[in-house]
Amino acid sequence: DSGVTQTPKHLITATGQRVTLRCSPRSGDLSVYWYQQSLDQGLQFLIQYYNGEERAKGNILERFSAQQFPDLHSELNLSSLELGDSALYFCASSVVGRRDGQFFGPGTRLTVL
Amino acid sequence: DAKTTQPPSMDCAEGRAANLPCNHSTISGNEYVYWYRQIHSQGPQYIIHGLKNNETNEMASLIITEDRKSSTLILPHATLRDTAVYYCIVIHGRGDDKIIFGKGTRLHILP
Repeated sequence: DSGVTQTPKHLITATGQRVTLRCSPRSGDLSVYWYQQSLDQGLQFLIQYYNGEERAKGNILERFSAQQFPDLHSELNLSSLELGDSALYFCASSVVGRRDGQFFGPGTRLTVL
Repeated sequence: DAKTTQPPSMDCAEGRAANLPCNHSTISGNEYVYWYRQIHSQGPQYIIHGLKNNETNEMASLIITEDRKSSTLILPHATLRDTAVYYCIVIHGRGDDKIIFGKGTRLHILP
């Protein structure tokens, strides 16, 4: 158990819909990262937040957005969903300034029908 | 971040040492070598990291060559539960950088 929690575990929805994925980082971790893993693209970095502020952006579509709240939990919002958005979405957290790696949650499996 | 090269797959007999190689010939002086693994669809798991010295923890050992252009992750007594995709990643020394995953090495532990 990494200490990072993600909800829901599974999500099935239709094209055109909007969903919200939630992540709670390990206690004390200020940095949160979101990654997407699809069969054809592998694990891809989407976005990083640090203490409520966006810190780095990767290959995140404009239809996707994220935020980190004062209690440090984070949400990833996916809108106008397409079939190709079906993937595993992982959240990770870390302590900035330390080098003991990122700790990943169990992921949310999104299926768009 | 520097790129890494890993073999796509490897086999290892259960109970033997698994040695996973990684080439990172363009690594710069302030970049660390990190290893993660992903067991079937679970979240990736941090294993170990190092700068230039060899490192060991309860999971594995990391051997980095003197010129830092390559490294080897060693699982000393592989078990079936070590079957996973292993990722070798080079990350800037700040420690909080995003991870750019490659394709990794798919390690099969054979009974």
